[in-house]
Amino acid sequence: AQTVTQSQPEMSVQEAETVTLSCTYDTSENNYYLFWYKQPPSRQMILVIRQEAYKQQNATENRFSVNFQKAAKSFSLKISDSQLGDTAMYFCASTTGANSKLTFGKGITLSVRP
Amino acid sequence: DTGVSQNPRHKITKRGQNVTFRCDPISEHNRLYWYRQTLGQGPEFLTYFQNEAQLEKSRLLSDRFSAERPKGSFSTLEIQRTEQGDSAMYLCASLGVEGLPEANYGYTFGSGTRLTVV
Repeated sequence: AQTVTQSQPEMSVQEAETVTLSCTYDTSENNYYLFWYKQPPSRQMILVIRQEAYKQQNATENRFSVNFQKAAKSFSLKISDSQLGDTAMYFCASTTGANSKLTFGKGITLSVRP
Repeated sequence: DTGVSQNPRHKITKRGQNVTFRCDPISEHNRLYWYRQTLGQGPEFLTYFQNEAQLEKSRLLSDRFSAERPKGSFSTLEIQRTEQGDSAMYLCASLGVEGLPEANYGYTFGSGTRLTVV
């Protein structure tokens, strides 16, 4: 069974600054995938970034990057140059196996202050 | 195709009533997933289909819940004899499966159906 843990319930950051959201996970699988999803208020969940466990290089998508520490089972998300539109709940998630079902953490509420 | 569509967006029902939700996935996606999200929590897996076949159901899914995907296109999730504990957001997601590892990319979520049982 997989577990995903997000221990910070909420964070706040000033616009244009950098923030890091933490996530740890546990799995017995060797081949798995990790994701960060963004859920704005009353809007649908969208994929921010994904990481394949077999890749050592950390994934980046524009202002978003991850710090993937496989041995420590840690997968943090760094948001650079924070924008007001980044205000949302962020979920860390993992998937493995043929069924591809996602296991989510509890999420973190990020507020970007003007 | 504009994405995954879920209807209705909101549903308020009295305890004991039956409700049905619909999900229309991206047309070329052959996998469809249902998740439930309660306030302050991450989504939890309920069930999934590959084409019309329901391949897995979570142990969270009681006998009052049933899901179908009759022609491998849209799916319905029915809850019978609703209880207040069923109040949640029900999310649908679709995924195109070309073969692993590509199967683990590209989930598209719908906007969800928010159920309130009073």
